[in-house]
Amino acid sequence: ETGVTQTPRHLVMGMTNKKSLKCEQHLGHNAMYWYKQSAKKPLELMFVYSLEERVENNSVPSRFSPECPNSSHLFLHLHTLQPEDSALYLCASSQEPSGANVLTFGAGSRLTVL
Amino acid sequence: GQNIDQPTEMTATEGAIVQINCTYQTSGFNGLFWYQQHAGEAPTFLSYNVLDGLEEKGRFSSFLSRSKGYSYLLLKELQMKDSASYLCAAMDSNYQLIWGAGTKLIIKP
Repeated sequence: ETGVTQTPRHLVMGMTNKKSLKCEQHLGHNAMYWYKQSAKKPLELMFVYSLEERVENNSVPSRFSPECPNSSHLFLHLHTLQPEDSALYLCASSQEPSGANVLTFGAGSRLTVL
Repeated sequence: GQNIDQPTEMTATEGAIVQINCTYQTSGFNGLFWYQQHAGEAPTFLSYNVLDGLEEKGRFSSFLSRSKGYSYLLLKELQMKDSASYLCAAMDSNYQLIWGAGTKLIIKP
């Protein structure tokens, strides 16, 4: 158990569906992140939250909508996705959003868009 | 631009030693991280180097040369469970992580 739990682990959706990914951490960390991991590509930072406030949005399409209701939970709402959005979506947390902090990752949600 | 280079795939033999190299180009530098990711699992932290030199942690060691923009991860006495992807990430002057695409390490008996 990594301390960061993601559900669901696998998700298949059509381009017109709406679904959500959930991330939970009980490490007492103040920052949470969404990353996209595609095969043979570097991790892409999507969103950063610090104490429930979004501090970074790396030009992510609006079909991805994050939500951070409290410091322990993070969601990624998905709507009208494209096949190229198929990837592993990793959630991570760290003590603080800045500085040389170690990231604790979840095992990811494997998304397939048909 | 900012960039990280690491080999895509490496193969090594159980019990042997392997060195995974990483070169980086960043705007400023605030340290370099190595993470291990087994297939289907979360990446886990291995090491952080910000000063030049070698840091040893059991069978794993990490080296940094800031002047050369170069790091390596050294794995000794390889075990089958070391088969995984190894991710290199450099932190720039804004404390943003620049990630490599990862090196898939295959260990053969």
